Amino acid sequence: QKEVEQNSGPLSVPEGAIASLNCTYSDRGSQSFFWYRQYSGKSPELIMSIYSNGDKEDGRFTAQLNKASQYVSLLIRDSQPSDSATYLCAVLNRDDKIIFGKGTRLHILP
Amino acid sequence: DTEVTQTPKHLVMGMTNKKSLKCEQHMGHRAMYWYKQKAKKPPELMFVYSYEKLSINESVPSRFSPECPNSSLLNLHLHALQPEDSALYLCASSQEGTSGTNTGELFFGEGSRLTVL
Repeated sequence: QKEVEQNSGPLSVPEGAIASLNCTYSDRGSQSFFWYRQYSGKSPELIMSIYSNGDKEDGRFTAQLNKASQYVSLLIRDSQPSDSATYLCAVLNRDDKIIFGKGTRLHILP
Repeated sequence: DTEVTQTPKHLVMGMTNKKSLKCEQHMGHRAMYWYKQKAKKPPELMFVYSYEKLSINESVPSRFSPECPNSSLLNLHLHALQPEDSALYLCASSQEGTSGTNTGELFFGEGSRLTVL
């Protein structure tokens, strides 16, 4: 079982709709969870971090964490073409290693 | 503008060459990382330095040799690489929290794209 799993996509969402990205992780001892955005040919950029169960909102982005289900999600409201990118879920595991999922490619359709 | 600076941005080297990748951060972070990323793959952890000491080596071949001269600088020395080592090499830093706990929030440089011929 891979440590961090994501659907690779592509996920196509109409402009203005809500994009929903999902991630599961295997290490129950993980305490910190992150979403990074990576545009083609660029380096990853941190967009959200979440450490406790529930929702965390930042502008159009909402991260959701459910430790019992070992599940993290990212919602992007009012999706814009500029949101088209690969979204990487990352987890800080009990070995103090930050492990990335394969990423989900998101296409926002104008 | 990124606060983690990597040089060079592009590097082409032969299998017998010795070269180095350099990374500098000015955010006062005490943890620095090397990741390797191949096309359409996620970043793979290579090394972690915490307070200038190597804390994690993910069984990386010895042809990659990291060095942390001080808390702001991180180097990756390359020697006798193979064509399959061609990739984007990403440096990142993160702020250590209290009691040495790692916040885990990585700030990446723009990367050094390495091609081994």
